[in-house]
Amino acid sequence: QKEVEQNSGPLSVPEGAIASLNCTYSDRGSQSFFWYRQYSGKSPELIMFIYSNGDKEDGRFTAQLNKASQYVSLLIRDSQPSDSATYLCAVNMDSNYQLIWGAGTKLIIKP
Amino acid sequence: KAGVTQTPRYLIKTRGQQVTLSCSPISGHRSVSWYQQTPGQGLQFLFEYFSETQRNKGNFPGRFSGRQFSNSRSEMNVSTLELGDSALYLCASSLAAGGTEAFFGQGTRLTVV
Repeated sequence: QKEVEQNSGPLSVPEGAIASLNCTYSDRGSQSFFWYRQYSGKSPELIMFIYSNGDKEDGRFTAQLNKASQYVSLLIRDSQPSDSATYLCAVNMDSNYQLIWGAGTKLIIKP
Repeated sequence: KAGVTQTPRYLIKTRGQQVTLSCSPISGHRSVSWYQQTPGQGLQFLFEYFSETQRNKGNFPGRFSGRQFSNSRSEMNVSTLELGDSALYLCASSLAAGGTEAFFGQGTRLTVV
């Protein structure tokens, strides 16, 4: 069964620190990886995607992909209270070209 | 550029009734996916439509159905509503089929009483 695993948290990080969110996936042939942020009561919002091994940076966000180890992570630098949300990892599983979603990690940034 | 529009935003229905939810994707997007989200649960995939054809279907009973029109707008229908169907129903729009970047509407919050 194709799976995407995330630690449900909550992950508590002090304001200004680096928040590190991790996601592992089961399908070695997966090609595309997405991070979404979901505030309580709102819909998910795409914040980053990554296709190639290595790092991809966008402002305070960095996505890291390691296909050999089958994990993708999201780093948030200089964490702000407004970053408090649930972060969802989604993976495009190669075999059926469908987005498979993790259950999300709840992140709390403490002022 | 208009985003994904879901209507209605809120709905209260009685057990046993049926309901139809609507989703208008971003202009030019041809793929629409539907998800159910309940408190504490992740996104549960219902189905994906592309060019009026259902591409994928999740593990939901036959009471859940959908369709897509030639203008890419999509509807999902739930018949014989049960209390457990109370959830946030999300529609996501993508340019192409099968796992490209998805953009979500604001959702329809369905309460079954």
